[in-house]
Amino acid sequence: QKEVEQDPGPLSVPEGAIVSLNCTYSNSAFQYFMWYRQYSRKGPELLMYTYSSGNKEDGRFTAQVDKSSKYISLFIRDSQPSDSATYLCAMTYQGVGNQFYFGTGTSLTVIP
Amino acid sequence: GAGVSQTPSNKVTEKGKYVELRCDPISGHTALYWYRQSLGQGPEFLIYFQGTGAADDSGLPNDRFFAVRPEGSVSTLKIQRTERGDSAVYLCASRVTGSGNYGYTFGSGTRLTVV
Repeated sequence: QKEVEQDPGPLSVPEGAIVSLNCTYSNSAFQYFMWYRQYSRKGPELLMYTYSSGNKEDGRFTAQVDKSSKYISLFIRDSQPSDSATYLCAMTYQGVGNQFYFGTGTSLTVIP
Repeated sequence: GAGVSQTPSNKVTEKGKYVELRCDPISGHTALYWYRQSLGQGPEFLIYFQGTGAADDSGLPNDRFFAVRPEGSVSTLKIQRTERGDSAVYLCASRVTGSGNYGYTFGSGTRLTVV
């Protein structure tokens, strides 16, 4: 079993839709949770991050962490064609310098 | 530089050959990571440098893989006797000490194809 599970999609939605992306994980020691966006042939870029449980909102993006269920989510409101990319969840332990554990990524296409 | 630079962007090599992949981190970033991303997968950790030393090399798959960072800036990932299974995108990321777990910047990667 992989440490982090993520549905690879692909996911296709019309412009303006609300998108929900999710990951589950098995290691309860994970404390830092991140969402990265990766465009084709580019490196991942940090989109959102959360420490421990809770919600965080940044513009059209909301990240949620439920540590009791070992489940994290990213919501995108009013999706735009420019949001079309692969979204990767990542997580790591307490302490700086630890490796990140990534999900497989979900491919999202927003249709104009 | 403005971002993490990786060269070459693409590399095609024959099975059994030796390759070197270069990462030039953001100036002043003391922490440097190498990850490998296979097609349709998320990045997988290879090695972490803090300064010149490898603080964690537990992700290197076998002894054909080796990485150095002799002056604490540029890093080179070296792969000996390449195999077709080594084909992947090799990503480098750097972080300035004190920026916490969120301050990583990834390069665009080197796409390695072993034929």
